[in-house]
Amino acid sequence: DVQLMVSGGALVRPGGSLRLSCAASGFTFTDYYMNWVRHTPGKGLEWVARINEDGSEKYYLDSVKGRFTISRDNVGDSVYLQMNSLRVEDTAVYYCARGYDYADYWGQGTLVTVSS
Amino acid sequence: DIVMTQSPDSLAVSLGERATISCKSSQSLLYNNKNYLAWYQQRPGQPPKLLIHLASTRESGVPDRFSGSGSGTDFTLTISSLQAEDAAVYYCQQSWGAPPYTFGQGTKLEIK
Repeated sequence: DVQLMVSGGALVRPGGSLRLSCAASGFTFTDYYMNWVRHTPGKGLEWVARINEDGSEKYYLDSVKGRFTISRDNVGDSVYLQMNSLRVEDTAVYYCARGYDYADYWGQGTLVTVSS
Repeated sequence: DIVMTQSPDSLAVSLGERATISCKSSQSLLYNNKNYLAWYQQRPGQPPKLLIHLASTRESGVPDRFSGSGSGTDFTLTISSLQAEDAAVYYCQQSWGAPPYTFGQGTKLEIK
């Protein structure tokens, strides 16, 4: 079975940093684009970042460009989201999801709270 | 960015009745005879679940009471005979061209 195990969410102060991890299993990881999608009560679902199979192509939502970095480890079958200079508006549940233009499998999500 | 607008924001439907959710995009999602539109279901405390992609292609394991239709800028998700487990929030999402791939605001479906 496809599984995406997400971890790393926490309470962090504005301006702080956090690294989210997503461990994949049950499929050939190197065959798929991977994504981070977040859900906030105010803005709903937002496609935050995407990385291609070998890590050479990355996409970022405009509001996180220059602050967030997506990366992947194709040996350990994991994808990461490094979040720096966090803002209150980055508060959300962050999901790891598999797919190129739609997400066919999602992890359970991890809560990131940015608050002073 | 392409703006996705769903209607209604919420609806209540009786068990066994039909539920219909609309999704409109600010530009056409049609390319090479395919409409780049997906539908997801999200139950409380759960991640979204993909129901339909390319506007009308149902995912494996999704009950056939769920169907997607439409083309261009106007799309519909129909649940033909509502079951209790269908109570959830439903989202449409476009994937036309390059990112950002945007979602509708969601439609909350309740059992009447």
